[in-house]
Amino acid sequence: AQSVSQHNHHVILSEAASLELGCNYSYGGTVNLFWYVQYPGQHLQLLLKYFSGDPLVKGIKGFEAEFIKSKFSFNLRKPSVQWSDTAEYFCAVNAGNNRKLIWGLGTSLAVNP
Amino acid sequence: GAVVSQHPSWVICKSGTSVKIECRSLDFQATTMFWYRQFPKQSLMLMATSNEGSKATYEQGVEKDKFLINHASLTLSTLTVTSAHPEDSSFYICSASLQGANYGYTFGSGTRLTVV
Repeated sequence: AQSVSQHNHHVILSEAASLELGCNYSYGGTVNLFWYVQYPGQHLQLLLKYFSGDPLVKGIKGFEAEFIKSKFSFNLRKPSVQWSDTAEYFCAVNAGNNRKLIWGLGTSLAVNP
Repeated sequence: GAVVSQHPSWVICKSGTSVKIECRSLDFQATTMFWYRQFPKQSLMLMATSNEGSKATYEQGVEKDKFLINHASLTLSTLTVTSAHPEDSSFYICSASLQGANYGYTFGSGTRLTVV
């Protein structure tokens, strides 16, 4: 069965620290990959997505993610986090022609000012 | 951009009653909508996929007679929690799949259901 694994469940950083959140998926075929963010009390927002092309994807708010097909990974990065990045981050995968999203369990990021 | 409006944002109901949650696509036609349930500090659990004009497809373990989904038009999908119990208390989120080659998904703001 398809699955998405996010390795870091809780991350605490200080402002200006660099961030990398891991995401691995299990599916052998073509995938579309997404990172969503959920700020406290708000709905899910798309940070970035990968369908094809350049495996290094730039998203909003300075986030980027790199698709490494050989590692089945799509890690999220930000060189310098801000307090306002405190949120839940979810990795999701859509495989094949099925538009269902398979979700990771999420990573709770807390950035201390 | 594509917006999904979900109402109500929160609702408190008594055990045994039914609650309807609406999800409307405001500026696009949503042929496919997804209904999720999210427990505190946890990920989204897909409950069902609804396609306009046809029966919803429920995920394993989700009672279709309890969680009634209607997608009668391209702009409206509803989830009705029937005979609600306290264990149905949760955060329910709808999502629409967008069209196009590099499609995405847009999410409603969610409904916090509390059954007392």
